[in-house]
Amino acid sequence: EPEVTQTPSHQVTQMGQEVILRCVPISNHLYFYWYRQILGQKVEFLVSFYNNEISEKSEIFDDQFSVERPDGSNFTLKIRSTKLEDSAMYFCASRRDREKLFFGSGTQLSVL
Amino acid sequence: TQLLEQSPQFLSIQEGENLTVYCNSSSVFSSLQWYRQEPGEGPVLLVTVVTGGEVKKLKRLTFQFGDARKDSSLHITAAQPGDTGLYLCAGETQGGSEKLVFGKGMKLTVNP
Repeated sequence: EPEVTQTPSHQVTQMGQEVILRCVPISNHLYFYWYRQILGQKVEFLVSFYNNEISEKSEIFDDQFSVERPDGSNFTLKIRSTKLEDSAMYFCASRRDREKLFFGSGTQLSVL
Repeated sequence: TQLLEQSPQFLSIQEGENLTVYCNSSSVFSSLQWYRQEPGEGPVLLVTVVTGGEVKKLKRLTFQFGDARKDSSLHITAAQPGDTGLYLCAGETQGGSEKLVFGKGMKLTVNP
């Protein structure tokens, strides 16, 4: 079965540093998402992306966050200046239409 | 804010036992999805229920969507050690929103 690929699987960074989390969605999918899961808490929606623009974002997705689909295959999440509270598992997800949502295995981000 | 509450949050049972997990909300959802998540992995979709009162079966798993589309249940018959994992419910909000609202999950352990 096709899968969503995320890299790296683990990222450790210093507070204030920029990080870029990378995702390769399934090739014929059109809708892309980022979710995050802080340890012991619920999976939370961050942002949805369709037709090369953000279609919806949550209150978590402030000016420190940005998403990009630079080359038609990758989908990235950038955090400009990381904070301790950004430590979480970040999941990328994609779907073709109003169908099954496929999640990647996640990137565990640790901000020190 | 739409919330999904899952109960129980933890369950440890013996192989062969039956169990039911509940997912409740005061909000109406256009659909409700059940996921299973393994440690270090992303959620994997098990089923989507859309119609109030709908019942879907997946082998030993039976999913039901409440008549009012505010709640759902997952019943597992004759649980096996391979059923061990985190079971998440997630609601798709009405009004065309892209985001899924997740419950906190039910961590199931099935002992041989």
